[in-house]
Amino acid sequence: KNEVEQSPQNLTAQEGEFITINCSYSVGISALHWLQQHPGGGIVSLFMLSSGKKKHGRLIATINIQEKHSSLHITASHPRDSAVYICAVERAASDDKIIFGKGTRLHILP
Amino acid sequence: DAGVTQSPTHLIKTRGQQVTLRCSPKSGHDTVSWYQQALGQGPQFIFQYYEEEERQRGNFPDRFSGHQFPNYSSELNVNALLLGDSALYLCASSPYRLIMISGANVLTFGAGSRLTVL
Repeated sequence: KNEVEQSPQNLTAQEGEFITINCSYSVGISALHWLQQHPGGGIVSLFMLSSGKKKHGRLIATINIQEKHSSLHITASHPRDSAVYICAVERAASDDKIIFGKGTRLHILP
Repeated sequence: DAGVTQSPTHLIKTRGQQVTLRCSPKSGHDTVSWYQQALGQGPQFIFQYYEEEERQRGNFPDRFSGHQFPNYSSELNVNALLLGDSALYLCASSPYRLIMISGANVLTFGAGSRLTVL
């Protein structure tokens, strides 16, 4: 079982819909990242959070440390939001590296 | 302010050859990490460099080696290429002092170098 699991793997929605992408992890963490990867490979860091909730524009990220779960929400989705969204965690008190989920491929239809 | 730059963007090699990929970190960042991303998969951590030394390493064979220069730029070298080494290689930079304060990485990624091994 992967230490970071994302769901769904693929998601197609209509423009304007509210989008939720989920991330569950099985290890203790010091931080969780949400990343956006567009076709061609470029990755943009959206959020880094260790507790609570963060909001940036139409994007909202939440994390529940006790439940080892995080969600990324997109309000009023737009075709330009189409990308792969990747959840990544940093293990707590470890010399370890960042562990990435496999990503959620989001396609917003106009 | 330039972000992370990587070169080359694309390259094709044959099995057994060697490849060198280059990364210049974002201004003000002194720590460089390298990741391998196979098609349809999330990135996998290769190693991290700080103060010209390898500080952390993922589960990659010794064929994968790196270097960091005094100006914080970095190279990833892969020897004896295998077909399975075909992937997008991503470089990310971060400020080490922020890692030490917060315990977490604040990452800026480059666009990647896409390697195809034939």
